[in-house]
Amino acid sequence: AQSVSQHNHHVILSEAASLELGCNYSYGGTVNLFWYVQYPGQHLQLLLKYFSGDPLVKGIKGFEAEFIKSKFSFNLRKPSVQWSDTAEYFCAVNARSGAGSYQLTFGKGTKLSVIP
Amino acid sequence: DADVTQTPRNRITKTGKRIMLECSQTKGHDRMYWYRQDPGLGLRLIYYSFDVKDINKGEISDGYSVSRQAQAKFSLSLESAIPNQTALYFCATSDVGQKRETQYFGPGTRLLVL
Repeated sequence: AQSVSQHNHHVILSEAASLELGCNYSYGGTVNLFWYVQYPGQHLQLLLKYFSGDPLVKGIKGFEAEFIKSKFSFNLRKPSVQWSDTAEYFCAVNARSGAGSYQLTFGKGTKLSVIP
Repeated sequence: DADVTQTPRNRITKTGKRIMLECSQTKGHDRMYWYRQDPGLGLRLIYYSFDVKDINKGEISDGYSVSRQAQAKFSLSLESAIPNQTALYFCATSDVGQKRETQYFGPGTRLLVL
């Protein structure tokens, strides 16, 4: 079964610092990759997704992610964070499961705290 | 996302009680999902439904049941609630089949079982 690892449980940054959140997955076949964001007290919102093509994907609010197939990674980046980026970020992978259907698997999440 | 609604938004219940969480969507999506979120564990899939006649167990279905009353409605039931079912529950929907599927989430139901 596929698994998704997010390396950092909690990241604390000052405003204007650069952000990179790691995400690695274990699956050898074709995958579709997602980053979701959950602001405090809110539901998950889609930040960006990768299906195919250019491995550098741009999402909303200045976020981007790069798919590196050889490293099984899909790291999320932002050049300059703002206090409003304080949230929990989830990486998710959609891949074919053992039963043959596609299944979305989430990482455990990374909390980002941005200090003004 | 206002297209996916969940009721109730918050619920406190006692051990042993039966409780139903409801999800409705106006997106016209065929696929619906129930997840629970626990701190430090991310989201885990409870049940999913690809259409009204298709119900499937997810990773952690024990203690839960579901009903797909219509394309737009997918309910999650806890037949006899227990404290370790205290969690945040999310409903999600998607339309595109399998490979290029994107899931959209409801606002969540926060459940506390005493």
